[in-house]
Amino acid sequence: ELKVEQNPLFLSMQEGKNYTIYCNYSTTSDRLYWYRQDPGKSLESLFVLLSNGAVKQEGRLMASLDTKARLSTLHITAAVHDLSATYFCAVDRGSGGGADGLTFGKGTHLIIQP
Amino acid sequence: ETGVTQSPTHLIKTRGQQVTLRCSSQSGHNTVSWYQQALGQGPQFIFQYYREEENGRGNFPPRFSGLQFPNYSSELNVNALELDDSALYLCASSLGLAGLGEQYFGPGTRLTVT
Repeated sequence: ELKVEQNPLFLSMQEGKNYTIYCNYSTTSDRLYWYRQDPGKSLESLFVLLSNGAVKQEGRLMASLDTKARLSTLHITAAVHDLSATYFCAVDRGSGGGADGLTFGKGTHLIIQP
Repeated sequence: ETGVTQSPTHLIKTRGQQVTLRCSSQSGHNTVSWYQQALGQGPQFIFQYYREEENGRGNFPPRFSGLQFPNYSSELNVNALELDDSALYLCASSLGLAGLGEQYFGPGTRLTVT
């Protein structure tokens, strides 16, 4: 059974600081996704990481994937209040059949304080 | 380009009743996946439909069933509702089987079972 673990689950940080969210998964996969969810809203796609060593950046967020370590990170640089949200990583088995859907972590609830 | 839409937005049902949720996929997408997100949790994969056939299923009982229509829109049906079925139900569409393409999520249907 594929398991996806995120840490931390809750994070309160000040504006201007840097921090990293970690996503570990238990079986081989080379497809990992990061989503953002605002309270009461749906999931917004942030990054799609499709190969070992993939690194993608958008604004103050940067995501990376190490398939050998089964680890992805989401790094926040110089945080601003607008980044407050819940962040999910999700993994699929990469079998191409889609039969298992995406397996999500429990999410990291991020609060950025002025 | 039209995004993923879901209806209704909110729904209140009584235990034992049946419910149907609807999803229209993003233009050009032929695959729809359904997820259940309980409060404070990550989404859990229910099942996926590809070209009108169920292509994969998560750990959900048979009282969760679905359909996909020729225009690739989809329905999720839940029979004999239980209190634990209260959740946000998300559908996601993709081009081709999930795992081969990015999934785009709709706004969700909030189901409350009393």
